[in-house]
Amino acid sequence: DVKVTQSSRYLVKRTGEKVFLECVQDMDHENMFWYRQDPGLGLRLIYFSYDVKMKEKGDIPEGYSVSREKKERFSLILESASTNQTSMYLCASSEDREPNYGYTFGSGTRLTVV
Amino acid sequence: GEDVEQSLFLSVREGDSSVINCTYTDSSSTYLYWYKQEPGAGLQLLTYIFSNMDMKQDQRLTVLLNKKDKHLSLRIADTQTGDSAIYFCAETSGGSYIPTFGRGTSLIVHP
Repeated sequence: DVKVTQSSRYLVKRTGEKVFLECVQDMDHENMFWYRQDPGLGLRLIYFSYDVKMKEKGDIPEGYSVSREKKERFSLILESASTNQTSMYLCASSEDREPNYGYTFGSGTRLTVV
Repeated sequence: GEDVEQSLFLSVREGDSSVINCTYTDSSSTYLYWYKQEPGAGLQLLTYIFSNMDMKQDQRLTVLLNKKDKHLSLRIADTQTGDSAIYFCAETSGGSYIPTFGRGTSLIVHP
C-alpha cells in the first residue's frame, strides 16, 4: 500500500558532494513537493512541481535544484552539499483538483552532511 | 504572510481527552487539515475540514472550526500511548494547493 516512496531513509554525504534525493508516487498525482524539516522551524517548502518538466521555487530554494522528467518521479538535487543542509527531507504529492484532500507524504530522508 | 500558530507541547494522561489548538490568520482559508507525524516518519493526513463546516467527527477524532475566531481544534478521545506524536495544523486558501503549516504540537501521553 506504499504511495509515496523516498529512496533512502538515512543518508550521509561529504561536504561538496552532489546529492540526489529521489521520490516516486504511484497515485498519478499532478503536484509534487519537497520540504525540509528542522527542529523549531517546522516544514519549509524548497521546490514544487505542478506538471512534468515544470518546477517552481518555494520559500528556500537556494542551494537546491529539482528535476521532474516523469509524472511519478520528483528528484531533489543538492549541487554541492553543505553542513547547513543537514536535515530531514520530506517529499509529498497531491491531486490537482477541488476539493483538495491534502498531501500524501513519503517517510522522509534524514540527510547528514559531514 | 499568512500564519498558522500552535502551542509546542501538550501532555495528557492515558485515557483522557486531548485537545490540540490552532489559530490562523487567513480569512479566506478554504481547507484546514490535521497531520500526524510519528517519530522518524513522514506526515500522515489525519483529517480535514472544509471552511463551510463547523465540526467533523471521525471515530475518536473531532475537529471543531470557529471561522469567526479563526480557530481550529483537534480533540482525541480516550488518548492512547500510540497517539504520542507531533500534530500539524495546516490551511490552504485562495485556490492554492500549497498549505501553510503550523510548527507542530508534540503530544506526550503518559500512563
